[in-house]
Amino acid sequence: DTGVSQDPRHKITKRGQNVTFRCDPISEHNRLYWYRQTLGQGPEFLTYFQNEAQLEKSRLLSDRFSAERPKGSFSTLEIQRTEQGDSAMYLCASSETDRDEKLFFGSGTQLSVL
Amino acid sequence: RKEVEQDPGPFNVPEGATVAFNCTYSNSASQSFFWYRQDCRKEPKLLMSVYSSGNEDGRFTAQLNRASQYISLLIRDSKLSDSATYLCVVKSGGSYIPTFGRGTSLIVHP
Repeated sequence: DTGVSQDPRHKITKRGQNVTFRCDPISEHNRLYWYRQTLGQGPEFLTYFQNEAQLEKSRLLSDRFSAERPKGSFSTLEIQRTEQGDSAMYLCASSETDRDEKLFFGSGTQLSVL
Repeated sequence: RKEVEQDPGPFNVPEGATVAFNCTYSNSASQSFFWYRQDCRKEPKLLMSVYSSGNEDGRFTAQLNRASQYISLLIRDSKLSDSATYLCVVKSGGSYIPTFGRGTSLIVHP
């Protein structure tokens, strides 16, 4: 399967714990996005990488959130000291170049903070 | 005002009906427009891009009205399998970030 893959599919954690999610984009895609989606809402932008450079980060993203893409391939999103409001679906998407703006999404990681 | 606005619906239509959704955007510098489809508990998938001249793909027609800052999606001869949430996506020139609307829910019933 050469699509975008995310791991884990589901994560249940207790409030205050740290969690880390992984995204493997389509191999030739140099652009990678993280979005968050809650029920009844559209995906909300979190952060964007072009190769290994993090070029944009949402103002809504608190300093408990950090993302990396160390070699311009896979990316990780870490949430520290999770809160119940962090419960959401975390979606990763990749695209090839600026000319081809289609986003290809992974299946997402569903986070539940108890 | 939200950057991209959609009526959440649901739009409840019988099979065979024609249904249309609109989406308004606030940034007049927006340059790229898309419709994505999202099935329940699945990831969004690109349905179609929206070009200035409008475009059609089978039963689906997308149009752009820059003067009034909205895009539309028309679905003809609705099928049960068209039931999904339709997400409007807008990207401004000079921005890397596609912005999603909240989506419009479509339910096609027999």
